[in-house]
Amino acid sequence: DAGVTQSPTHLIKTRGQQVTLRCSPKSGHDTVSWYQQALGQGPQFIFQYYEEEERQRGNFPDRFSGHQFPNYSSELNVNALLLGDSALYLCASSLYGGRTGELFFGEGSRLTVL
Amino acid sequence: GQQVMQIPQYQHVQEGEDFTTYCNSSTTLSNIQWYKQRPGGHPVFLIQLVKSGEVKKQKRLTFQFGEAKKNSSLHITATQTTDVGTYFCAGPKTGNQFYFGTGTSLTVIP
Repeated sequence: DAGVTQSPTHLIKTRGQQVTLRCSPKSGHDTVSWYQQALGQGPQFIFQYYEEEERQRGNFPDRFSGHQFPNYSSELNVNALLLGDSALYLCASSLYGGRTGELFFGEGSRLTVL
Repeated sequence: GQQVMQIPQYQHVQEGEDFTTYCNSSTTLSNIQWYKQRPGGHPVFLIQLVKSGEVKKQKRLTFQFGEAKKNSSLHITATQTTDVGTYFCAGPKTGNQFYFGTGTSLTVIP
């Protein structure tokens, strides 16, 4: 039973560029949430996807966008990268309306913006 | 807006000593979750507390949810080097959107 998988694991971009990060949720899960974790900080909620729609959004600008595919996998896109976007981007899968709400995290994609 | 704060930010203990981290929310929480993140790793779910005053134990770990459901604590008895990592509490806003605390980084000195 595969857990949450994310790609790429590491990447380096320059300011102004665009990046796409990918996530496959745990088998049986239908909901994907994206979090940004800056060094030494707790994960910050970006948005959540269920049934291919953005259901909830945290306090992030429109430069952050996403998509969910019919197979429940998801992408996170960040446009016009800023130095401050450097962080670990975590994907978490869950069951929408699940009783426990437990989040299963992938190992993350570490983005460095130069 | 809703905030979840944790103290202390860092804690160094000798192996065998106890450790406690505290989590405080500015609003009442329907439930609270705890996660552990090893250095260089990703958060891993530990437990969820739902009821006011609830206490749950996992081996050497004891989790409490306050009576007012605005605070929580994690206590580790007789720490081991395998306990090293950052412990986060997380409270829900709506649905599965969780606010994570600032975390407590635990270092265990052998």
